[in-house]
Amino acid sequence: AQSVTQLGSHVSVSEGALVLLRCNYSSSVPPYLFWYVQYPNQGLQLLLKYTSAATLVKGINGFEAEFKKSETSFHLTKPSAHMSDAAEYFCAVSFTLRDDKIIFGKGTRLHILP
Amino acid sequence: GAVVSQHPSWVICKSGTSVKIECRSLDFQATTMFWYRQFPKQSLMLMATSNEGSKATYEQGVEKDKFLINHASLTLSTLTVTSAHPEDSSFYICSALGTGGLLADTQYFGPGTRLTVL
Repeated sequence: AQSVTQLGSHVSVSEGALVLLRCNYSSSVPPYLFWYVQYPNQGLQLLLKYTSAATLVKGINGFEAEFKKSETSFHLTKPSAHMSDAAEYFCAVSFTLRDDKIIFGKGTRLHILP
Repeated sequence: GAVVSQHPSWVICKSGTSVKIECRSLDFQATTMFWYRQFPKQSLMLMATSNEGSKATYEQGVEKDKFLINHASLTLSTLTVTSAHPEDSSFYICSALGTGGLLADTQYFGPGTRLTVL
């Protein structure tokens, strides 16, 4: 069965510091992987999506993620945190390119310290 | 492009009443929409897949008679929580699957509806 595990329900970084949010996946077939961001009382916004075209995926707002098959990981990074990055981040996996049946991780709350 | 709206954004109702939540794709057509439920500080759980012109497909453990889904057009899906009880209080989020061009095969999420049942 496919699943995603996000390490750390809360992560705090200082403004300007590197952001690293960890995600490991389990899949019996080549996965399609996603990172979403959710601001309070809002829906989800797609940050980036891995579809096997390239292992390093660049997304919006300066975020990127690298697919590492050997480590079954898809960690999200941003070189310099901004106060506006404070939000909930969800890693997710899908069986198919068509985006249906997305399975979400439990989420990581990112706190930005001034 | 690819905007999905939900109405209402929040609703409070009495126990035993029914509540309807609308999900609209504003600038694209969506033959497939999804309904999720999110409890506080938890992840999204898929409730059902809504297909235009056909019956919804419910995930295991979701009562289809309690959560009625209607996808009557290519831009509108509705979720009706029937005989709501306090345990149905949650954040309900819909998404629409893009079709064609750059929108194809990507889920676009609505802003969510906060339901509180007293």
